[in-house]
Amino acid sequence: KQEVTQIPAALSVPEGENLVLNCSFTDSAIYNLQWFRQDPGKGLTSLLLIQSSQREQTSGRLNASLDKSSGRSTLYIAASQPGDSATYLCAVRPRGDSSYKLIFGSGTRLLVRP
Amino acid sequence: DTGVSQDPRHKITKRGQNVTFRCDPISEHNRLYWYRQTLGQGPEFLTYFQNEAQLEKSRLLSDRFSAERPKGSFSTLEIQRTEQGDSAMYLCASIEPGGGEQYFGPGTRLTVT
Repeated sequence: KQEVTQIPAALSVPEGENLVLNCSFTDSAIYNLQWFRQDPGKGLTSLLLIQSSQREQTSGRLNASLDKSSGRSTLYIAASQPGDSATYLCAVRPRGDSSYKLIFGSGTRLLVRP
Repeated sequence: DTGVSQDPRHKITKRGQNVTFRCDPISEHNRLYWYRQTLGQGPEFLTYFQNEAQLEKSRLLSDRFSAERPKGSFSTLEIQRTEQGDSAMYLCASIEPGGGEQYFGPGTRLTVT
């Protein structure tokens, strides 16, 4: 059974700092991995999607990497800003699951202090 | 705005009442998903549709829950005889034919008092 873990559960950093959020999954048989952002009481906004054949994806100040063999992904946020404060969730789509459903971690709550 | 809409955004109900939520996916997306998210946790899969067919239901979906997608467009999720443990955020997502990125709606926050 696929399980997704995110560490740390919460993180507080001063503005301007570069930071790394971690995601690990127990079964390397994945089709893709998606990083989401969730603001309090809101839905999920997709940030980056990495296919299993890819090693990384970049969007602006965000860079996500994938090491499928070790079951790990990282989300790197450069030059953090207070507006980056949110919960960041990673989710995997298991390979061979015809439903395409996502398995989520519990998220990392990020606070960027001005 | 991802293009997936949900209604209502918030619902407060008393225990034992029935509630119904609606999700409108992106129009060309043939797959629609329902997830439930409790405080401090990630979303958990409940059920999904391909067009109008409900193809999988999680064990989380007790017999008090029913979902429909009658014409392969919008979907409804009904909870009968609500319990306090049903309090959660109910999220809807859709995906284009062939798979790829899932797009989530803003969610419906249910509070059962």
